[in-house]
Amino acid sequence: QVQLVQSGAEVKKPGASVKVSCKASGYTFTSYYMHWVRQAPGQGLEWMGIINPSGGSTSYAQKFQGRVTMTRDTSTSTVYMELSSLRSEDTAVYYCAPTLRVIDGVGEFDPWGQGTLVTVSS
Amino acid sequence: QSVLTQPPSVSGAPGQRVTISCTGSSSNIGAGYDVHWYQQLPGTAPKLLIYGNSNRPSGVPDRFSGSKSGTSASLAITGLQAEDEADYYCQSYDSSLSTVFGGGTKLTVL
Repeated sequence: QVQLVQSGAEVKKPGASVKVSCKASGYTFTSYYMHWVRQAPGQGLEWMGIINPSGGSTSYAQKFQGRVTMTRDTSTSTVYMELSSLRSEDTAVYYCAPTLRVIDGVGEFDPWGQGTLVTVSS
Repeated sequence: QSVLTQPPSVSGAPGQRVTISCTGSSSNIGAGYDVHWYQQLPGTAPKLLIYGNSNRPSGVPDRFSGSKSGTSASLAITGLQAEDEADYYCQSYDSSLSTVFGGGTKLTVL
């Protein structure tokens, strides 16, 4: 079965960077796009961007342009999301999720990783 | 401010029917992009409930149904149960080349 396992919780200081991993299994990793979504405490879902695990191309939400970098390692079927210049407003749970029913990344997210809590605090 | 607009909260008694609306614009739902719905129980990751406007993944009860018309979509839940109490989100795609979500709706079962 499809499974996404994310890295553990992180605590970072303002101005630092964080790199969250998402290891996929149960499907052909390079055939389907992966998305990153975050959720601040008590808030809704916010799309951050998408990566094509095949060629590594990315597209980021305008809000995160210049601060987010998504990469992948095809040898381990893992995608990474790095967010820099962290501020307190970046405190959130970060999720990865693929779009497995389509090949262009425009579709529903299923399943979701378990989430990674990133806390930004001085 | 979310691109897709959902009511912050809805409520209903056990056994009743409730609907949750998701209103977009001509650049997303109105442009023909599909709407998907997720259920999020407290402390857990979102779970796909409806995809492609009205399709249920395997395992989702037929009490849940989705529809889309014009620039809006709706999620209907019939035979409300206590376990349905959760947050619900709609999702679509926007011509600005980004995925968009609704702000979420908290369902309370009275």
